[in-house]
Amino acid sequence: GAVVSQHPSWVICKSGTSVKIECRSLDFQATTMFWYRQFPKQSLMLMATSNEGSKATYEQGVEKDKFLINHASLTLSTLTVTSAHPEDSSFYICSARLQGATDTQYFGPGTRLTVL
Amino acid sequence: GIQVEQSPPDLILQEGANSTLRCNFSDSVNNLQWFHQNPWGQLINLFYIPSGTKQNGRLSATTVATERYSLLYISSSQTTDSGVYFCAVDGRGSYIPTFGRGTSLIVHP
Repeated sequence: GAVVSQHPSWVICKSGTSVKIECRSLDFQATTMFWYRQFPKQSLMLMATSNEGSKATYEQGVEKDKFLINHASLTLSTLTVTSAHPEDSSFYICSARLQGATDTQYFGPGTRLTVL
Repeated sequence: GIQVEQSPPDLILQEGANSTLRCNFSDSVNNLQWFHQNPWGQLINLFYIPSGTKQNGRLSATTVATERYSLLYISSSQTTDSGVYFCAVDGRGSYIPTFGRGTSLIVHP
């Protein structure tokens, strides 16, 4: 089946630093990737939709200068949390859809970010 | 946007019991998926089911699109079924998924 990887799986950083999270579709091409944020015991909140070769579409209330998304190829999207602060600590999850398909989403294993 | 409600929010079962989880949505949908999030956070696809009925082992799902709901059935539950079950839908005309709040399931041995 389709596999999506995320790196790193967890990261601890100091306040003010930037953190980059990679999301890769390993065995398929994904024109669309999604980035989610999940707080403990809560649902997934969509942050942005990432389309290969174009600018990401951010959901209302998500700062695009804070959460930089780059979808450079059909298999890689990156999320950079710039100048991270403790309130950015969360579980970040990406997902990808098969190229040309509008059905199944495949999720990465998530990245747990802790900002001290 | 489309609203997605899941019930019950929490469920505790004894191993071997059966259960039904429900997902109601407020508008017509293009896609509907059920996911299981394990205790480590990994989301696993269970079903892609915008309509009809599907079965996979002890799990089955039914979506009645005209009445705007979907059901996930878990039979003979096992402790490994514990976790959170999410329903996610794409509203008609949108291919952006909206997640429900999930059902947290704990299965005791």
